[in-house]
Amino acid sequence: KAGVTQTPRYLIKTRGQQVTLSCSPISGHRSVSWYQQTPGQGLQFLFEYFSETQRNKGNFPGRFSGRQFSNSRSEMNVSTLELGDSALYLCASRPPGLNTDTQYFGPGTRLTVL
Amino acid sequence: AQSVTQLDSHVSVSEGTPVLLRCNYSSSYSPSLFWYVQHPNKGLQLLLKYTSAATLVKGINGFEAEFKKSETSFHLTKPSAHMSDAAEYFCVVTFNNAGNMLTFGGGTRLMVKP
Repeated sequence: KAGVTQTPRYLIKTRGQQVTLSCSPISGHRSVSWYQQTPGQGLQFLFEYFSETQRNKGNFPGRFSGRQFSNSRSEMNVSTLELGDSALYLCASRPPGLNTDTQYFGPGTRLTVL
Repeated sequence: AQSVTQLDSHVSVSEGTPVLLRCNYSSSYSPSLFWYVQHPNKGLQLLLKYTSAATLVKGINGFEAEFKKSETSFHLTKPSAHMSDAAEYFCVVTFNNAGNMLTFGGGTRLMVKP
């Protein structure tokens, strides 16, 4: 079974631009979560989607948004990019079921803001 | 407040010697506990998960972790380090009242000397 895939793997943008990152979960997984990893702040939770609905949101400004499609693929969008948004963005999917809290991560998208 | 603390940001061992990576958590709720590993420029790979079935959890690549409720600890060990173990290790917790939001420790960079 294919793992979590993220595209693109690398992105370079300039301040003020916007960016969209994509994540395809493992087949059959309906929950997708996004995380930001930076050297200074470590790994931080952005949001989680399940069946096209946002279920949890971390402490990030409204410039960070996401959505999920009916096939469980998810996108996250960052508008008005700032230098501090440079990070590795990781997506994770979770198998269905009440007692399945294990999340499986993709390789990440490395975003550089100049 | 709920938190997870990795007590060492860097650990250096010689190949063939034991590895100990320390993790403590703080929570009023029953946690689920994980260890993930991240190799350079890669995503996070699940090493092991505490399921409450046994306090000693065996994971992949010879790693294991022991859950000690009285000490609120979940330390990761391996009897004999291999060069390929050099990576960053994250202790991760999800709490019953936080849905599927993962809370990450700050990470421990493991260096293995030949």
